[in-house]
Amino acid sequence: DAGVIQSPRHEVTEMGQEVTLRCKPISGHDYLFWYRQTMMRGLELLIYFNNNVPIDDSGMPEDRFSAKMPNASFSTLKIQPSEPRDSAVYFCASSFRGYEQYFGPGTRLTVT
Amino acid sequence: GQQLNQSPQSMFIQEGEDVSMNCTSSSIFNTWLWYKQEPGEGPVLLIALYKAGELTSNGRLTAQFGITRKDSFLNISASIPSDVGIYFCAGRDLGGADGLTFGKGTHLIIQP
Repeated sequence: DAGVIQSPRHEVTEMGQEVTLRCKPISGHDYLFWYRQTMMRGLELLIYFNNNVPIDDSGMPEDRFSAKMPNASFSTLKIQPSEPRDSAVYFCASSFRGYEQYFGPGTRLTVT
Repeated sequence: GQQLNQSPQSMFIQEGEDVSMNCTSSSIFNTWLWYKQEPGEGPVLLIALYKAGELTSNGRLTAQFGITRKDSFLNISASIPSDVGIYFCAGRDLGGADGLTFGKGTHLIIQP
């Protein structure tokens, strides 16, 4: 069975550009989480959804970040406009009933 | 918010040695999870703990959920080269929020 799928794996963009990260959770999972990992701050929760509904977005850094989950098999994290300090690895994770979370391979974002 | 203190930050050991690392939290958790991350990959779930005092093994790995619900430890017995990586503890608080709080990680390096 396929795990969590993320695309792209790597993204390099210029400051000011819009960036869209994509995630396909494990089939049957009802929770989806977006995390960001940096050397300085480690792994941080940005936002999570339950049954496609955003539950807690208190970790989203600022209004430049937005996330959607239009259906149970797809979610996006968008940054507009992007800034160099957004450079990080972004992970998507999913779980069933909010218990054990399974992570995707991540998207390494570099904003120049 | 909660803070997780994970120690040690790094470990340099000889192949065959046993390893022990731990996490403490500033608040009570109802779930402790241990993950391993290798370069360029997402965290992989190793062990999940749900009850205070619970002791769970996964091969050479053993983890325990502390009685106070504010700590957990992970032991690796007879380390082998493929154990190299960064080990993260993660917890979910008693308040019901479903997102995980992560420790900063323990970087395990094994010298042959």
